[in-house]
Amino acid sequence: SYELTQPPSVSVSPGQTARITCSGDALPKQYVYWYQQKPGQAPVLVIYKDSERPSGIPERFSGSSSGTTVTLTISGVQAEDEAEYYCQSTDSSDTYVFGTGTKVTVL
Amino acid sequence: QLQLRESGPRLVKPSETLSLTCTVSGASISNNNFYWGWIRQPPGKGLEWIGNIYYTGDTYYNPSLKSRVTISVDTSKNQFSLKLSSVTAADTAVYYCTRRAGCGGDCYRFDYWGQGTLVTVSS
Repeated sequence: SYELTQPPSVSVSPGQTARITCSGDALPKQYVYWYQQKPGQAPVLVIYKDSERPSGIPERFSGSSSGTTVTLTISGVQAEDEAEYYCQSTDSSDTYVFGTGTKVTVL
Repeated sequence: QLQLRESGPRLVKPSETLSLTCTVSGASISNNNFYWGWIRQPPGKGLEWIGNIYYTGDTYYNPSLKSRVTISVDTSKNQFSLKLSSVTAADTAVYYCTRRAGCGGDCYRFDYWGQGTLVTVSS
């Protein structure tokens, strides 16, 4: 089955930049979406269509793509950004697939 | 403001059928721009898409669960439901109901989520 691979964890100091990668063979052909999940809460969409930001999501969240790897960037990280982040895409059979998840720790 | 709320038994015995309902408020489930569906998350693990349904009853499911999953819709109650048969401990998870919205071309995003409900499979 199709897999999206993320690093298990990323640590960053407040005010610095966090970059979370997501790799998958089909990513050049499919859009990627990013969700933020805090403990005990439902996921929240922070990026869609590779790089678009939903209304209400701070400008410090941005997305980019290059070949089989996409990146979620959080610029000027704040303590409230500490959470688990999941990428999500679609495989060739219209099945929605989520990445393995990355825990962002704000030091 | 759109809200989704899951309801149903929190404890299911092995080999039985898990049944959950999602009640949608703040918008009509019959809006032709959206699909509705389910995503689950085992404790301490990642997210897994289960399936989606259109208000007409059109469905599509995760191939890995397709043989055990049925999603249905009741437009009169503005609800949709999940049934997962022959459950085992591996089906223990937080189950979220979601809305899938189009965002141009082949773009589809899960933009609204319920709070989630933990269903435990145990005898």
